[in-house]
Amino acid sequence: QVQLVQSGAEVKQPGASVKVSCKASGYTFIDYYIHWVRQAPGQGLEWMGRLNPNRYVTDYAQKFQGRVTMTRDTSINTAYMELSSLRSDDTAIYYCARGHRSLGDWFDPWGQGSLVTVSS
Amino acid sequence: DIQMTQSPSSLSASVGDRVTITCRASQSIDGYLNWYQQKPGKAPKLLIYATSTLQSGVPSRFSGSGSGTGFTLTITSLQPEDLATYYCHQSYKIPWTFGQGTKVEIK
Repeated sequence: QVQLVQSGAEVKQPGASVKVSCKASGYTFIDYYIHWVRQAPGQGLEWMGRLNPNRYVTDYAQKFQGRVTMTRDTSINTAYMELSSLRSDDTAIYYCARGHRSLGDWFDPWGQGSLVTVSS
Repeated sequence: DIQMTQSPSSLSASVGDRVTITCRASQSIDGYLNWYQQKPGKAPKLLIYATSTLQSGVPSRFSGSGSGTGFTLTITSLQPEDLATYYCHQSYKIPWTFGQGTKVEIK
């Protein structure tokens, strides 16, 4: 079955960087976008950006421009999201999701989430 | 950015009730509106895409409608397992944006 499995929880100090991985299985990795969405504690969902694994093209939300980098390794069907210059308000669960492009963009399935805690 | 506003923010209903959640966009998004269900402690799950297309495996008690700037998610007969927060999501214009969520509780 189609599945996205993410890396484990991380604790980082302010100013550091974090890199979250998302391993895909059950489908052809390069055929679908990977999107990254985060959720701060008790809050809603926030789209960060997307990666086209085939063309290696990215689109980032302006809020994260300059701080986020989305990459992939097609040899192991894995996407990565790196966020730098971490602040306390970056504490959140970070989700990857497979993107479908038919009648708009929609996300299915989602990874299980990776908790990133930013604290000194 | 396109702002998505859901109402209500929360609701409490009984098993078997009909539940309606509204999502309004700050500009027309054609039909590029999706709905997700997030159960406590879990990742979101796609329910409906392109306003009204039910994702495979989703119970038929869920339905979506709307156009332009106004959309609704309806649960025709609320079940205990529908306890969750529901989010709308527009994919008309980047950055994709979500509503703030509607928390559904069971009386």
